Amino acid sequence: DAGVIQSPRHEVTEMGQEVTLRCKPISGHDYLFWYRQTMMRGLELLIYFNNNVPIDDSGMPEDRFSAKMPNASFSTLKIQPSEPRDSAVYFCASSPGTSGEYPYNEQFFGPGTRLTVL
Amino acid sequence: GNSVTQMEGPVTLSEEAFLTINCTYTATGYPSLFWYVQYPGEGLQLLLKATKADDKGSNKGFEATYRKETTSFHLEKGSVQVSDSAVYFCALYTGGFKTIFGAGTRLFVKA
Repeated sequence: DAGVIQSPRHEVTEMGQEVTLRCKPISGHDYLFWYRQTMMRGLELLIYFNNNVPIDDSGMPEDRFSAKMPNASFSTLKIQPSEPRDSAVYFCASSPGTSGEYPYNEQFFGPGTRLTVL
Repeated sequence: GNSVTQMEGPVTLSEEAFLTINCTYTATGYPSLFWYVQYPGEGLQLLLKATKADDKGSNKGFEATYRKETTSFHLEKGSVQVSDSAVYFCALYTGGFKTIFGAGTRLFVKA
């Protein structure tokens, strides 16, 4: 299995521009998570999906952030308009949930997208 | 609420030194406990886990014991290598599909 795939790996944009981050979870995983990592705030859960449905978006910082999962193999996190304080590494993770071989919600992380907003 | 507290870093050690990274937790019920590791430029990956009191998780020479009486899950390794340089996250799971991560502890190992 290729693991969780994220694109792009690096994104540099200017303040006010729209940014779209993409994620392909591991096939068969029912849960998908978006995290943000910064030095100041550590690892923050932004939103997670179960079977393509958003379950908890309480970590989404502002209305400028939105996430979608149109099908089981693809999710996007969009920031519009972007601001310099959005600069961070954004991780997507997927999980098979709590059944079978991984009953403890083990999360499998992608390599992350490093976003820089100038 | 549920939370995880781990020692602040960075921790700097010489190769072959003994490592301890402290982790304590607050949780209702009976959580499962984890250590995740993040190597430079990569995402987090599960290092080891323990699902009930007195369980010992181990992997790649690392160990951690689930201590319910002290609500702790300290990570240890007897002899660290340069390749162990990474950020280590303690985490807990109590159900509901939301894993609680600690702030992370950065480890530097010098040759």
